[in-house]
Amino acid sequence: DVVMTQTPVSLPVSLGGQASISCRSSQSLVHSNGNTYLHWYLQKPGQSPQLLIYRVSNRFSGVPDRFSGSGSGTDFTLKISRVEPEDLGDYYCLQSTHFPPTFGGGTKLELK
Amino acid sequence: QVKLQQSGAELVKPGASVKLSCKTSGYTFSTSYMSWFKQIPGQSIEWIGMIYAGDGGTGYNQKFKGKATLTVDTSSSTAYMDLSSLTTEDSAVYFCARGPGAGDYWGQGVMVTVSS
Repeated sequence: DVVMTQTPVSLPVSLGGQASISCRSSQSLVHSNGNTYLHWYLQKPGQSPQLLIYRVSNRFSGVPDRFSGSGSGTDFTLKISRVEPEDLGDYYCLQSTHFPPTFGGGTKLELK
Repeated sequence: QVKLQQSGAELVKPGASVKLSCKTSGYTFSTSYMSWFKQIPGQSIEWIGMIYAGDGGTGYNQKFKGKATLTVDTSSSTAYMDLSSLTTEDSAVYFCARGPGAGDYWGQGVMVTVSS
């Protein structure tokens, strides 16, 4: 299975500040069709994960433009600018290029 | 709007089975995929498998073959997951989500506790 490594595990931030989360895969996530199936989720305490970014850089419906995704191959980044209280929680990357889909270990975004 | 409503929490004995449901609305169920996920509290998420409602075709994570069985009832737009021969290692929150791998809309999750 593809191993997804997220860093950091914990990320203290100040409200209004910026956060950056890294996700690295054990093999390239470029599918044979040319697409890269790397996605980002936020899971708030006691809630189900919510899709933020799909296929590296596409914001899901209703996701504010403070969230941006980038990267290619095996290296990906989620950036959050102007952090707001509702952004706090656990962030996960997920690859669905290779079978089975696999998640990163998660990054906890918390207040400094 | 798209909604996925999962059944309530379960407390089951070791060795037993449990059937979880995921009732959907707001989209065309019969032409969509549904995936299921497992999350032990405090840990990351695992993908269990997926089912295409159109023909009932399934794909499973090798780790969950023999443990999970996915089915659908298109007449009620509901997806099901059977978990068999439960052990304490199956105690977790289980989610359904629309999509073949990356889910876009998720159910609220259901806690399954395996305990004697």
